[in-house]
Amino acid sequence: DTGVSQDPRHKITKRGQNVTFRCDPISEHNRLYWYRQTLGQGPEFLTYFQNEAQLEKSRLLSDRFSAERPKGSFSTLEIQRTEQGDSAMYLCASSPTGQGLNTEAFFGQGTRLTVV
Amino acid sequence: AQSVAQPEDQVNVAEGNPLTVKCTYSVSGNPYLFWYVQYPNRGLQFLLKYITGDNLVKGSYGFEAEFNKSQTSFHLKKPSALVSDSALYFCAVRDGGGYQKVTFGTGTKLQVIP
Repeated sequence: DTGVSQDPRHKITKRGQNVTFRCDPISEHNRLYWYRQTLGQGPEFLTYFQNEAQLEKSRLLSDRFSAERPKGSFSTLEIQRTEQGDSAMYLCASSPTGQGLNTEAFFGQGTRLTVV
Repeated sequence: AQSVAQPEDQVNVAEGNPLTVKCTYSVSGNPYLFWYVQYPNRGLQFLLKYITGDNLVKGSYGFEAEFNKSQTSFHLKKPSALVSDSALYFCAVRDGGGYQKVTFGTGTKLQVIP
């Protein structure tokens, strides 16, 4: 396994269009996270899945944003009616569960979204 | 609410000198603390963590960090800096109470001067 994979790496879209990003976590990692990172800032938490259940959502995740993880494996993040303020790097991460296992998350390289 | 502060936007250090990148945190419960490094055009890479136990934790690439509960700090250190250590470093905290949200600092750019 080569790590967390995100697709696409770059996306340019016109304002008002919908976009969807995909994340494939490390195999057998039950936990999956989405973060957003803008220039000069640290990653900001968006949402968290354990298996297929979305257990935590940030206030940053407005009603234009939706995330799914239908089979507990890959996840998608959709942004509807994109705005210029949505331009950012969207990061996906995964981590294993279980007592005594490492709690750090492993990050993908991200999808850079530019809304024009 | 949990938070992290990295007071320095940039740290410059000469190659071979010791380096310190500062981090302070705030959580309501017991803290889980992390350091990540980000190289240009690459994802965040995990360096080290503190969950419990010894206050001095050792991580990848010769880095270590010291947890200080009374000062709510978790400073990253390395005895001898390399030019290849130049990157963006993020401190992060999670409340050990069960929530999975990790809060990151704004990052500190480390520049190691040859």
